[in-house]
Amino acid sequence: GENVEQHPSTLSVQEGDSAVIKCTYSDSASNYFPWYKQELGKGPQLIIDIRSNVGEKKDQRIAVTLNKTAKHFSLHITETQPEDSAVYFCAAHKREYGNKLVFGAGTILRVKS
Amino acid sequence: GAGVSQSPSNKVTEKGKDVELRCDPISGHTALYWYRQSLGQGLEFLIYFQGNSAPDKSGLPSDRFSAERTGGSVSTLTIQRTQQEDSAVYLCASSLDGTTNYGYTFGSGTRLTVV
Repeated sequence: GENVEQHPSTLSVQEGDSAVIKCTYSDSASNYFPWYKQELGKGPQLIIDIRSNVGEKKDQRIAVTLNKTAKHFSLHITETQPEDSAVYFCAAHKREYGNKLVFGAGTILRVKS
Repeated sequence: GAGVSQSPSNKVTEKGKDVELRCDPISGHTALYWYRQSLGQGLEFLIYFQGNSAPDKSGLPSDRFSAERTGGSVSTLTIQRTQQEDSAVYLCASSLDGTTNYGYTFGSGTRLTVV
């Protein structure tokens, strides 16, 4: 089955700097890669996603890149702000029974002001 | 409803007792998922519903775990004879049609503590 590895497990950056979180997946048939942000006491919230026919996608300060050959994808946050502090999860999907996602272990991002 | 609602938000139970966790998905969402999040861990898939059917229940850890969905809406996750290792946050998510055209919307979870 699909296996998703995520690095780093924790990341501290200064406000205004960029943050990069990387994930690798094992199943070359996976075709959909969302990123979720989880704040304390809340459920994960979808922030951006990318499909296997696209190499990069941007949404304001957030971007995601996908390298299908290497089977890895990354989340880039520019001009970080204190409210970006949260746990970020990557996920990969392979179309089996419905939209089942396999998640990475998560990255705790701390933005220091 | 406006979002995915889970109840209770917190549950403390004694080892050996049964518990029921409830999920009320977004109205009209046909796909519903249960995940488990242990402290400092990622999200572990438990079961997927499409309508009232569960085509994928491969993530249920043991036969003490079961889930049902009625009326294509509310789902209940039941854990029998709870053990300390069952302590975790149980998250429910729903999606419009179970395809990748629509992402998951998660509830805030039920934090289960088995003492």
